[in-house]
This record gives sequence, C-alpha cells and structure tokens, in this order.
Amino acid sequence: GAGVSQTPSNKVTEKGKYVELRCDPISGHTALYWYRQSLGQGPEFLIYFQGTGAADDSGLPNDRFFAVRPEGSVSTLKIQRTERGDSAVYLCASSSGENTEAFFGQGTRLTVV
Amino acid sequence: AQSVTQPDIHITVSEGASLELRCNYSYGATPYLFWYVQSPGQGLQLLLKYFSGDTLVQGIKGFEAEFKRSQSSFNLRKPSVHWSDAAEYFCAVGMFSGGYNKLIFGAGTRLAVHP
Repeated sequence: GAGVSQTPSNKVTEKGKYVELRCDPISGHTALYWYRQSLGQGPEFLIYFQGTGAADDSGLPNDRFFAVRPEGSVSTLKIQRTERGDSAVYLCASSSGENTEAFFGQGTRLTVV
Repeated sequence: AQSVTQPDIHITVSEGASLELRCNYSYGATPYLFWYVQSPGQGLQLLLKYFSGDTLVQGIKGFEAEFKRSQSSFNLRKPSVHWSDAAEYFCAVGMFSGGYNKLIFGAGTRLAVHP
C-alpha cells in the first residue's frame, strides 16, 4: 500500500480480554516500530523489528504485551488480560533502513472498559 | 537518560503571526532531531529533521528549525501561521544505535490559530 495501514482504527474491549492490533508497513520497509501514545502524551517506544526478529523490545511494559512479525512484513501487537491502563493509541511506523525517516500509520485507539 | 522537553503545552496565535515552538533535549551524543505534526485523527507527519551539517533546517509547509548545541535546543519556527497549521506538534530525538532509530518524543505542544 501507499502508507502504513493499521487495523482496526478503533477497538473497545472489556478488562481482562485479549486483543490483537495489526500493522501493514509500507511495502519493502524492513524496519517496523510500535509506539504507544497515552492521552496528553507523546508517543512512547514499545518495540522494534528488523525483518522478522524483534531487535529491541525494551519498551514493552510487561509480559502481557507481545508482538510478532513472522514473515517480515505485517506485524501484530498482542495484549493479554487487558487493563484499563492499556487504553491508548497504538502507533505503528516503518522505515526503509538506517537513518531514514519513519512513516507512521494513523494508529489504533484501544479503549479498555 | 535521554529526554525531550516541550515547555509549552498549549499555544494560541493569530493567523498570519509568527510562531516559535520550543524544544529542549537531553542526549549524551550528537543528537538526531525531528519535528512531527499530528492533526486530529491523523498519524504523525514528519515536518523536518536534523542529522548533521547546517544547523538551520528547512521543512515542509514553510517550517524551519534551528539546532543550537550550546542550548540543547531545536526550536521550530514559521514566519506566518495559517489556520490549517492548528495541530499538535511533537519534538523527538532519535537514538540511532545498532542500525535503527528509536525516537524519544516530547509531550507535545498543541497549537490553536485564531482567525
């Protein structure tokens, strides 16, 4: 596609449920990032993929959060046993390589009720 | 630790007036610096970036920013604001390490433009 695509755009889930958020990066981009933006804050880094491997997952807040990128393209962010504090906009970005611009998707707004 | 501070949470200017959004960073090495804009319901769009060289950087939509190492600042400027510039602006420092770019963002400055 022309840009980074994230689905769904909005997700409402009940506390304790499991959710998956999907990111389709720009075709050919090897680097993929997930960020989380809480209300009134700037985005915070969660995880970085180079190809299929998670090269840096230091931003994942706890073991309820996990992300995969099995074929080096689409990525899924998975959140188990969701909590109200997980409510935020989850942003995905991709780039073509080192020292290059990261292009962001429009995000998935997750609301845990 | 690396950090970015945007001292102004909210700024209001009149259309046609000049604009300066402040950004201060804390980073041990030579920083890679960015300004992004986020309109309601939209993703982050890169306005401009500084990697090296000329400390005055030109971006899209008539924006520019100046890197001042002595002040650890990277302020964003525009000589004449348009109503369509109303949005949230984020300054970020890029930590390039091991071949990738981890961005540390400030909390953002929300810009309102009066007609």
